[in-house]
Amino acid sequence: KQEVTQIPAALSVPEGENLVLNCSFTDSAIYNLQWFRQDPGKGLTSLLLIQSSQREQTSGRLNASLDKSSGRSTLYIAASQPGDSATYLCAGPQGGSEKLVFGKGTKLTVNP
Amino acid sequence: DAGVIQSPRHEVTEMGQEVTLRCKPISGHNSLFWYRQTMMRGLELLIYFNNNVPIDDSGMPEDRFSAKMPNASFSTLKIQPSEPRDSAVYFCASTLTGTGGYTFGSGTRLTVV
Repeated sequence: KQEVTQIPAALSVPEGENLVLNCSFTDSAIYNLQWFRQDPGKGLTSLLLIQSSQREQTSGRLNASLDKSSGRSTLYIAASQPGDSATYLCAGPQGGSEKLVFGKGTKLTVNP
Repeated sequence: DAGVIQSPRHEVTEMGQEVTLRCKPISGHNSLFWYRQTMMRGLELLIYFNNNVPIDDSGMPEDRFSAKMPNASFSTLKIQPSEPRDSAVYFCASTLTGTGGYTFGSGTRLTVV
C-alpha cells in the first residue's frame, strides 16, 4: 500500500530564499508523482507531473525531482515570493492504479 | 474548458438530513474521483469511476455514503443520513487515463450541525 509522507509540516522563510520541500513514498514502483498547490479555502492546482522515466521537471521557478530508488521527491522553489505562500502536496499512485495517495502537505509561508 | 465544476460550494445541514454533492468533470476525461479532506486525515480517496463504472469504493466510509455516475459528464456523492463527523471539504477530480494529469474542482465545504 502506498504511503506518502511530507516533511516538514510547516515552513516559514524570508522572501528571496531558495527552498526545498520533501516528499517520500513507500511504493517505488510508482509510474509518476505529482506536486500540487492548495491555497486556503481553495481546490488543488497541479504544479508539476513527473513520469517515472524522468528524473525532474521544471516550470518557471519550480523544479521537482523524482528518485524512485530512494522513494523520494523534492520540490525546489527558487527566489521565493510572498505569493508562493500556500500548502504544497505531493501525490503518487496506489500500485498501478489511477488512485492518487496524498501526503498531508507542507504549509509554506514566505515573509516579505 | 471551465474545469471541474462542483456544486454547491458550501452546504450546511442538520444531522440526519440527506446531502447530495454534484460534480461535472472536464469534457473528455474518463476517470472521476471523489476525495474528502479534513485537518486530521488530509485528503482521502472515497471512490473513483472509470468510463462511468465504479472501480474502487474501498474508501467510502460506510453505507451512508453512495456515489453514482450516470453519464460521462455528471456524478453525485450522497450522504444519507448525514452526521456531524461527515463535516469536511469534498473534492471531485478528473483525468484522462494514461495522462497522469489530474484536475480538481474547487470543492464543497460540508458542515453538518
